[in-house]
Amino acid sequence: AQSVAQPEDQVNVAEGNPLTVKCTYSVSGNPYLFWYVQYPNRGLQFLLKYITGDNLVKGSYGFEAEFNKSQTSFHLKKPSALVSDSALYFCAVRDNESSYKLIFGSGTRLLVRP
Amino acid sequence: NAGVTQTPKFRVLKTGQSMTLLCAQDMNHEYMYWYRQDPGMGLRLIHYSVGEGTTAKGEVPDGYNVSRLKKQNFLLGLESAAPSQTSVYFCASSSGTANTEAFFGQGTRLTVV
Repeated sequence: AQSVAQPEDQVNVAEGNPLTVKCTYSVSGNPYLFWYVQYPNRGLQFLLKYITGDNLVKGSYGFEAEFNKSQTSFHLKKPSALVSDSALYFCAVRDNESSYKLIFGSGTRLLVRP
Repeated sequence: NAGVTQTPKFRVLKTGQSMTLLCAQDMNHEYMYWYRQDPGMGLRLIHYSVGEGTTAKGEVPDGYNVSRLKKQNFLLGLESAAPSQTSVYFCASSSGTANTEAFFGQGTRLTVV
């Protein structure tokens, strides 16, 4: 069965510092991994995805994520955080052997302080 | 370019009432999804569809029914609403390949009293 875990409910970081939001996954087939961001009272917005190839993928707003197959992880990163990055972040996985269900983690709230 | 549109945006129901949430997408997407979002629980998949005329159960399907009679629409029904169904509901759609991202609607905030 597919599953996604985001072990941190909240991540706090100072503006200008690097940030990492953690995600681990479990699938039976090849994983397709996604990161989304949600601002207050809004829907989810796509940030980036890993399909195949280079383990480091770059996305919107300066975010990137590193795929690690041996650790089954897909951590979201940004070299220098902005206050405007404060939001709720979701990791998601799709399994190409499970009728393309898209399963989300529980979300991590990122708080960037000035 | 509307993308994914959910109707209504807000609704208050009394226990036992029924209602239908409508999701419409104009991107010719094959896959459509209904999620509910609750504090601390993230997004949980209620039902999904991989094409017109097909539906499948997700993680939390009990108390909900869905229909996909037209490719562009995915309806979520609550036959007899319960307070436990108070939540924010999101619809999403994606193209017919597993490696594509999903697009989300703005959500429907439902309160059952």
